[in-house]
Amino acid sequence: GNSVTQMEGPVTLSEEAFLTINCTYTATGYPSLFWYVQYPGEGLQLLLKATKADDKGSNKGFEATYRKETTSFHLEKGSVQVSDSAVYFCALCSNDYKLSFGAGTTVTVRA
Amino acid sequence: GAGVSQSPSNKVTEKGKDVELRCDPISGHTALYWYRQSLGQGLEFLIYFQGNSAPDKSGLPSDRFSAERTGGSVSTLTIQRTQQEDSAVYLCASSLRQGAQQPQHFGDGTRLSIL
Repeated sequence: GNSVTQMEGPVTLSEEAFLTINCTYTATGYPSLFWYVQYPGEGLQLLLKATKADDKGSNKGFEATYRKETTSFHLEKGSVQVSDSAVYFCALCSNDYKLSFGAGTTVTVRA
Repeated sequence: GAGVSQSPSNKVTEKGKDVELRCDPISGHTALYWYRQSLGQGLEFLIYFQGNSAPDKSGLPSDRFSAERTGGSVSTLTIQRTQQEDSAVYLCASSLRQGAQQPQHFGDGTRLSIL
């Protein structure tokens, strides 16, 4: 079956620090990969996506590259802000059209 | 509005009661999904509708859970004889069409608390 494993949090960083959240997956077929973000008190929002190997998704300064050889989709941002404090979810969607989510990583950025 | 709309935003009910949760997808989106977000279980798929096809109910946790989608738009998730373990945030999502590449857009969810 499909599954997603992402690094456990919580992660606490200072403003302008570099952020990496690791995500690896197992899946049947050729999945699409997503990062969703949930800001405090808000719903899930799509942050970025990649639909095939070597694609790079990017948005709001965040990037993630679909690595088929390592079955990974790590999320990175070079300089985080307080407003990036949120829970980040890695997810995949394969032939059955259901999203399989990782457990979520809570990120707190201190001023 | 332009997004997925869910109601109510919060629901508190007594154990054993039935509840109905509503989802209004983005206009023109043919695919609709229900997920559940609970402590200890994370985000779990419940059910999926695509157009007029039979729904994929493979994620429903018990026969107390059912869902329907009328006219290819609004969906209702019903939980009968609620139990305390049903307490969770129920999320609805829609996508323009089915397909693994289609991003799913989520509503703000209904927070269900069973006393």
